[in-house]
Amino acid sequence: EAGVAQSPRYKIIEKRQSVAFWCNPISGHATLYWYQQILGQGPKLLIQFQNNGVVDDSQLPKDRFSAERLKGVDSTLKIQPAKLEDSAVYLCASSHSAGRTHNSPLHFGNGTRLTVT
Amino acid sequence: GNSVTQMEGPVTLSEEAFLTINCTYTATGYPSLFWYVQYPGEGLQLLLKATKADDKGSNKGFEATYRKETTSFHLEKGSVQVSDSAVYFCALRIPINTNAGKSTFGDGTTLTVKP
Repeated sequence: EAGVAQSPRYKIIEKRQSVAFWCNPISGHATLYWYQQILGQGPKLLIQFQNNGVVDDSQLPKDRFSAERLKGVDSTLKIQPAKLEDSAVYLCASSHSAGRTHNSPLHFGNGTRLTVT
Repeated sequence: GNSVTQMEGPVTLSEEAFLTINCTYTATGYPSLFWYVQYPGEGLQLLLKATKADDKGSNKGFEATYRKETTSFHLEKGSVQVSDSAVYFCALRIPINTNAGKSTFGDGTTLTVKP
């Protein structure tokens, strides 16, 4: 099966600029996640979608971050305006949502490395 | 809340050495436990998992046993290879009421295997 697709792979922007990331999950995966991974740390959940509805966005800095998954398939994550501390790898992941779904592993894309200067 | 604590790295071993990476967790409810591996420039990929107490997950020579009494899920491999050099993440996942599951990750342990 095709994996989780993310673009772009790398992005360099200046602080206060805006940036958008795109993710296409594995076909048939209803749950989609955006994670922020700062160098030397584990992934931290930003937002979780079930189909096109938000399940958890409690850790999303809503004053500057937004995400959407309008048709329940692909998703975009936007940062506006960016800050220096937003420099990180942004990972998209997807998983099955059927039955005992907490047993299902996450399938990750290769991520977008964002550098804010 | 839920949390995962991993052994701090980096870990450097010689080829064919024995590997242990410790992982302990705290969780509300009954989590499933996972080990993910991240190679340079790539996203995380599942290494192994265990879904209930005393289950042993295994893959590519790696093993981990779900120990509910000690809330641990230590990763082991009897003989590491240079190709095992990567960052290893321990994670838990609990069910949430929308049937989608919520994951929490440790901070990762970097393993370097020297020939």
